[in-house]
Amino acid sequence: RKEVEQDPGPFNVPEGATVAFNCTYSNSASQSFFWYRQDCRKEPKLLMSVYSSGNEDGRFTAQLNRASQYISLLIRDSKLSDSATYLCVVNFYAAGNKLTFGGGTRVLVKP
Amino acid sequence: EPEVTQTPSHQVTQMGQEVILRCVPISNHLYFYWYRQILGQKVEFLVSFYNNEISEKSEIFDDQFSVERPDGSNFTLKIRSTKLEDSAMYFCASSELEPSNTEAFFGQGTRLTVV
Repeated sequence: RKEVEQDPGPFNVPEGATVAFNCTYSNSASQSFFWYRQDCRKEPKLLMSVYSSGNEDGRFTAQLNRASQYISLLIRDSKLSDSATYLCVVNFYAAGNKLTFGGGTRVLVKP
Repeated sequence: EPEVTQTPSHQVTQMGQEVILRCVPISNHLYFYWYRQILGQKVEFLVSFYNNEISEKSEIFDDQFSVERPDGSNFTLKIRSTKLEDSAMYFCASSELEPSNTEAFFGQGTRLTVV
Protein backbone atom coordinates (compact mmCIF):
# COMPACT_ATOMS: atom_id res chain seq x y z
CA ARG A 1 0.00 0.00 0.00
CA LYS A 2 1.31 3.47 -0.88
CA GLU A 3 2.20 5.68 2.07
CA VAL A 4 0.08 8.61 0.92
CA GLU A 5 -2.72 8.07 -1.57
CA GLN A 6 -4.90 10.54 -3.41
CA ASP A 7 -7.57 10.38 -6.08
CA PRO A 8 -5.76 11.88 -9.09
CA GLY A 9 -8.96 13.44 -10.48
CA PRO A 10 -9.48 15.63 -12.33
CA PHE A 11 -12.31 17.14 -10.38
CA ASN A 12 -14.18 19.42 -12.78
CA VAL A 13 -15.80 22.12 -10.68
CA PRO A 14 -18.12 24.91 -11.79
CA GLU A 15 -16.98 28.33 -10.66
CA GLY A 16 -18.58 29.15 -7.31
CA ALA A 17 -19.18 25.52 -6.37
CA THR A 18 -17.73 23.54 -3.49
CA VAL A 19 -15.32 20.68 -3.99
CA ALA A 20 -13.87 18.29 -1.45
CA PHE A 21 -11.41 15.47 -1.67
CA ASN A 22 -9.52 13.17 0.64
CA CYS A 23 -6.10 11.72 1.13
CA THR A 24 -5.35 8.48 2.97
CA TYR A 25 -2.09 7.66 4.68
CA SER A 26 -0.76 4.31 5.70
CA ASN A 27 1.24 4.94 8.83
CA SER A 28 -0.68 5.46 12.03
CA ALA A 29 2.39 6.99 13.66
CA SER A 30 2.15 10.04 11.48
CA GLN A 31 3.11 13.37 12.88
CA SER A 32 2.25 16.33 10.70
CA PHE A 33 0.00 16.90 7.75
CA PHE A 34 -0.11 19.54 5.07
CA TRP A 35 -1.84 20.50 1.88
CA TYR A 36 0.42 21.95 -0.79
CA ARG A 37 -0.66 23.39 -4.09
CA GLN A 38 1.27 22.83 -7.31
CA ASP A 39 0.59 24.66 -10.54
CA CYS A 40 1.63 23.07 -13.81
CA ARG A 41 5.43 22.68 -13.97
CA LYS A 42 5.88 24.87 -10.89
CA GLU A 43 7.14 24.22 -7.40
CA PRO A 44 4.88 23.02 -4.57
CA LYS A 45 3.68 25.80 -2.28
CA LEU A 46 2.18 25.36 1.15
CA LEU A 47 -1.56 25.92 1.15
CA MET A 48 -2.20 25.05 4.79
CA SER A 49 -1.14 22.83 7.63
CA VAL A 50 -3.74 20.40 8.95
CA TYR A 51 -4.41 20.39 12.67
CA SER A 52 -6.09 17.68 14.74
CA SER A 53 -9.13 19.81 15.44
CA GLY A 54 -9.53 20.83 11.82
CA ASN A 55 -8.78 24.30 10.55
CA GLU A 56 -10.00 26.86 8.11
CA ASP A 57 -8.20 29.45 6.03
CA GLY A 58 -10.62 31.60 4.10
CA ARG A 59 -12.41 29.39 1.59
CA PHE A 60 -10.29 26.36 2.45
CA THR A 61 -11.09 23.89 5.23
CA ALA A 62 -8.87 20.99 6.22
CA GLN A 63 -9.86 18.08 8.43
CA LEU A 64 -7.87 15.25 9.98
CA ASN A 65 -9.33 11.88 10.92
CA ARG A 66 -6.64 9.91 12.71
CA ALA A 67 -8.90 6.92 13.42
CA SER A 68 -9.57 6.36 9.71
CA GLN A 69 -6.19 7.73 8.65
CA TYR A 70 -7.29 10.36 6.20
CA ILE A 71 -7.21 14.09 5.74
CA SER A 72 -9.53 16.16 3.63
CA LEU A 73 -9.57 19.50 1.88
CA LEU A 74 -12.71 21.42 1.07
CA ILE A 75 -12.75 24.45 -1.19
CA ARG A 76 -15.80 26.70 -1.04
CA ASP A 77 -16.87 29.24 -3.66
CA SER A 78 -14.29 27.93 -6.14
CA LYS A 79 -12.41 30.49 -8.23
CA LEU A 80 -10.84 29.94 -11.62
CA SER A 81 -7.49 30.54 -9.92
CA ASP A 82 -8.06 27.51 -7.69
CA SER A 83 -7.32 25.28 -10.68
CA ALA A 84 -4.20 23.38 -9.68
CA THR A 85 -2.96 20.07 -8.32
CA TYR A 86 -3.40 19.72 -4.58
CA LEU A 87 -0.73 17.66 -2.89
CA CYS A 88 -1.32 15.82 0.35
CA VAL A 89 1.93 15.84 2.32
CA VAL A 90 2.80 13.94 5.48
CA ASN A 91 5.76 14.05 7.78
CA PHE A 92 5.83 10.53 9.22
CA TYR A 93 7.05 10.41 12.80
CA ALA A 94 9.66 7.73 12.25
CA ALA A 95 10.90 9.16 8.97
CA GLY A 96 12.75 12.11 10.38
CA ASN A 97 13.41 15.19 8.34
CA LYS A 98 11.48 14.52 5.20
CA LEU A 99 8.07 15.07 3.67
CA THR A 100 6.17 12.29 1.90
CA PHE A 101 3.99 13.46 -0.95
CA GLY A 102 0.85 11.97 -2.41
CA GLY A 103 0.42 11.91 -6.14
CA GLY A 104 -1.86 14.93 -6.10
CA THR A 105 -5.49 15.65 -6.90
CA ARG A 106 -6.07 17.79 -9.95
CA VAL A 107 -8.84 20.37 -9.72
CA LEU A 108 -10.15 22.24 -12.75
CA VAL A 109 -12.49 25.12 -12.06
CA LYS A 110 -14.52 26.11 -15.10
CA PRO A 111 -16.63 29.22 -15.80
CA GLU B 1 9.57 37.88 0.56
CA PRO B 2 12.59 35.58 0.99
CA GLU B 3 12.74 32.74 -1.48
CA VAL B 4 14.77 29.69 -2.39
CA THR B 5 16.55 30.20 -5.70
CA GLN B 6 17.82 27.49 -8.01
CA THR B 7 20.10 27.57 -11.01
CA PRO B 8 19.98 26.72 -13.80
CA SER B 9 16.27 26.57 -14.56
CA HIS B 10 16.90 24.00 -17.27
CA GLN B 11 19.92 21.77 -17.82
CA VAL B 12 20.43 19.43 -20.75
CA THR B 13 23.23 16.92 -20.41
CA GLN B 14 24.49 13.83 -22.15
CA MET B 15 24.16 10.45 -20.49
CA GLY B 16 27.22 9.70 -18.38
CA GLN B 17 28.09 13.33 -17.76
CA GLU B 18 28.26 14.95 -14.34
CA VAL B 19 25.87 17.73 -13.42
CA ILE B 20 25.73 20.10 -10.47
CA LEU B 21 22.44 21.68 -9.54
CA ARG B 22 22.69 24.76 -7.40
CA CYS B 23 20.44 26.20 -4.75
CA VAL B 24 20.50 29.17 -2.44
CA PRO B 25 18.24 28.43 0.54
CA ILE B 26 16.57 31.11 2.61
CA SER B 27 19.27 32.68 4.73
CA ASN B 28 18.08 31.92 8.27
CA HIS B 29 16.94 28.38 7.47
CA LEU B 30 18.74 25.42 8.99
CA TYR B 31 17.30 22.43 7.13
CA PHE B 32 17.88 21.84 3.44
CA TYR B 33 16.40 19.26 1.09
CA TRP B 34 16.44 17.97 -2.42
CA TYR B 35 13.34 16.45 -3.97
CA ARG B 36 12.70 15.34 -7.51
CA GLN B 37 9.60 14.96 -9.66
CA ILE B 38 9.65 12.86 -12.79
CA LEU B 39 7.17 14.23 -15.33
CA GLY B 40 3.65 13.12 -14.45
CA GLN B 41 4.70 11.50 -11.19
CA LYS B 42 4.72 12.48 -7.54
CA VAL B 43 7.32 14.54 -5.73
CA GLU B 44 9.93 12.20 -4.23
CA PHE B 45 12.32 12.89 -1.36
CA LEU B 46 16.02 12.52 -2.10
CA VAL B 47 17.97 13.89 0.84
CA SER B 48 17.85 16.19 3.83
CA PHE B 49 20.81 18.10 5.21
CA TYR B 50 21.25 19.66 8.63
CA ASN B 51 24.24 20.91 10.56
CA ASN B 52 26.56 20.27 7.62
CA GLU B 53 25.69 16.63 7.21
CA ILE B 54 23.09 14.40 5.62
CA SER B 55 20.32 13.63 8.10
CA GLU B 56 18.10 11.45 5.89
CA LYS B 57 18.38 9.99 2.43
CA SER B 58 16.09 7.86 0.30
CA GLU B 59 16.82 4.73 -1.70
CA ILE B 60 17.00 6.91 -4.80
CA PHE B 61 19.97 8.79 -3.35
CA ASP B 62 22.61 6.23 -4.22
CA ASP B 63 26.36 6.61 -4.71
CA GLN B 64 25.99 8.66 -7.88
CA PHE B 65 24.41 11.48 -5.86
CA SER B 66 26.11 13.81 -3.43
CA VAL B 67 25.27 17.06 -1.71
CA GLU B 68 27.46 19.83 -0.47
CA ARG B 69 27.21 23.16 1.24
CA PRO B 70 30.45 24.65 -0.01
CA ASP B 71 29.96 28.04 1.62
CA GLY B 72 27.46 29.78 3.84
CA SER B 73 24.85 30.27 1.15
CA ASN B 74 24.92 27.59 -1.55
CA PHE B 75 23.59 24.04 -1.38
CA THR B 76 24.42 21.79 -4.32
CA LEU B 77 23.32 18.43 -5.66
CA LYS B 78 25.83 16.58 -7.81
CA ILE B 79 24.91 13.66 -10.03
CA ARG B 80 28.13 11.96 -11.03
CA SER B 81 27.19 9.94 -14.08
CA THR B 82 23.76 10.83 -15.31
CA LYS B 83 21.33 8.23 -16.64
CA LEU B 84 18.30 8.74 -18.85
CA GLU B 85 16.05 7.99 -15.88
CA ASP B 86 17.55 10.92 -13.95
CA SER B 87 15.55 13.25 -16.21
CA ALA B 88 13.21 15.06 -13.85
CA MET B 89 12.46 18.36 -12.14
CA TYR B 90 14.73 18.75 -9.14
CA PHE B 91 13.44 20.93 -6.32
CA CYS B 92 15.55 22.34 -3.55
CA ALA B 93 13.75 23.26 -0.34
CA SER B 94 14.63 24.77 2.99
CA SER B 95 12.96 25.18 6.35
CA GLU B 96 13.72 27.10 9.49
CA LEU B 97 12.95 24.15 11.73
CA GLU B 98 12.41 20.44 11.14
CA PRO B 99 9.53 19.74 8.74
CA SER B 100 7.03 18.60 11.35
CA ASN B 101 6.96 22.07 12.83
CA THR B 102 7.39 24.51 10.01
CA GLU B 103 6.76 25.23 6.37
CA ALA B 104 9.23 23.97 3.79
CA PHE B 105 9.84 26.52 1.05
CA PHE B 106 10.59 25.16 -2.40
CA GLY B 107 12.66 26.69 -5.14
CA GLN B 108 11.28 26.98 -8.64
CA GLY B 109 13.16 23.85 -9.69
CA THR B 110 15.77 22.79 -12.21
CA ARG B 111 14.50 20.74 -15.10
CA LEU B 112 17.18 18.18 -15.90
CA THR B 113 17.03 16.49 -19.28
CA VAL B 114 19.46 13.64 -19.92
CA VAL B 115 19.88 12.74 -23.59
